[in-house]
Order: sequence, then C-alpha cells, then structure tokens
Amino acid sequence: GAGVSQTPSNKVTEKGKYVELRCDPISGHTALYWYRQSLGQGPEFLIYFQGTGAADDSGLPNDRFFAVRPEGSVSTLKIQRTERGDSAVYLCAVGRNTGELFFGEGSRLTVL
Amino acid sequence: AQRVTQPEKLLSVFKGAPVELKCNYSYSGSPELFWYVQYSRQRLQLLLRHISRESIKGFTADLNKGETSFHLKKPFAQEEDSAMYYCALSGGGFNKFYFGSGTKLNVKP
Repeated sequence: GAGVSQTPSNKVTEKGKYVELRCDPISGHTALYWYRQSLGQGPEFLIYFQGTGAADDSGLPNDRFFAVRPEGSVSTLKIQRTERGDSAVYLCAVGRNTGELFFGEGSRLTVL
Repeated sequence: AQRVTQPEKLLSVFKGAPVELKCNYSYSGSPELFWYVQYSRQRLQLLLRHISRESIKGFTADLNKGETSFHLKKPFAQEEDSAMYYCALSGGGFNKFYFGSGTKLNVKP
C-alpha cells in the first residue's frame, strides 16, 4: 500500500535560519502534495507535484518557501529566513487518481 | 472563492446517540467532497468520499448541492469514533484540496 515517511518529525530552529523538510513516499505515486497545518486549523494547501514538476504552487505563501522533487519520488520543502509565523505541522501526502490522499505523520516546525 | 466551513469545533455526544458533523462549502464548479479523520496519535486518513456513496464504519454523508452541504452522519456513535474530522473539497483533477478547520468529536461512555 501507499506510505509516506516524513523527516524530521520535530524541528526547532531560530528565527532567520534555513530549514529543509523531507517527504519520502514508499510506493510510486506521481501526485505529491505539501500542506501546512497551524494549531486549530485544517490543512492548508501549499504545493502539488505531478511527477517531477510543480503543477500548482499557488499555495506557497511567499518566496521564502520552495519545494523540489527532482526524481519524481522524494520531495523536499525548503524554507528560508524562517519566521515565527512559519511554526506549524507540515504535512506531505501522495494521491491516487480516485482523489484519496495518503498523508505522512508530518513534520512539526517550531521557530523560536 | 473556494471554502469549506465546519461550524462546530467540538461536538460531544453519548455513546449510542446519533451524531451529525456539519460541513458547508462554496465552490465555483462541480466539487468532489471528502471526509478525513484523524484518530489520536495517528495520521490523517480518508473516511469516505461522496462519489462512491459508501458507508464506512457506519458513517454516511450525502452531498446536497442545493444547500452546498456534505454533512457526516452516524445513527449510533461509538467511543472509538472519538477523533478529529475534516471535511475536504477538490475540483476535477485533484490538483488541490481545501480542508475545513475540523470538528473534534468526543463520544462519552
């Protein structure tokens, strides 16, 4: 079945630092999504990959956020010059053509 | 604008009581609607989708296009149903999903 592994599970960093969050889908899925979930909120769309390319990056909040998926499998979400408001759980999911999403357990980012 | 609204942050019911989790949406097109559930210390997972018209764990949801609603219902709640429930919407192609803010269901013994 589909599985998604995310690392690190927890990341504490200081304001202004650079952060990378990794998503490793266990089985082959062309569709991969990044979501951000703040406390008390539902997941908020960031970016969608179809294969290696970002098919929709309209959810990235600003140019400090960037994501790549160079070989169509593992994806990395990169955040530059982190701000306290970036603190959230970052979720990765892969999708089937039925619309079902398989989520990872998320990476909790805390910016001090 | 696309939006999913779950008006209740918390819903508490007793075991065996009926439960209805509300979801309203706005979308300019023909949406696909889903319910996702997150049990304690587990990842977010699909519960059901409107297009398959299925009943999962006794839950059903009917898409009402006139009222733009997709409420989740179960006639007799069980303690193991206690979880966070999220309503979600997507357009054709599934390139983007919009989630509501979630409802925490607490089923008391």
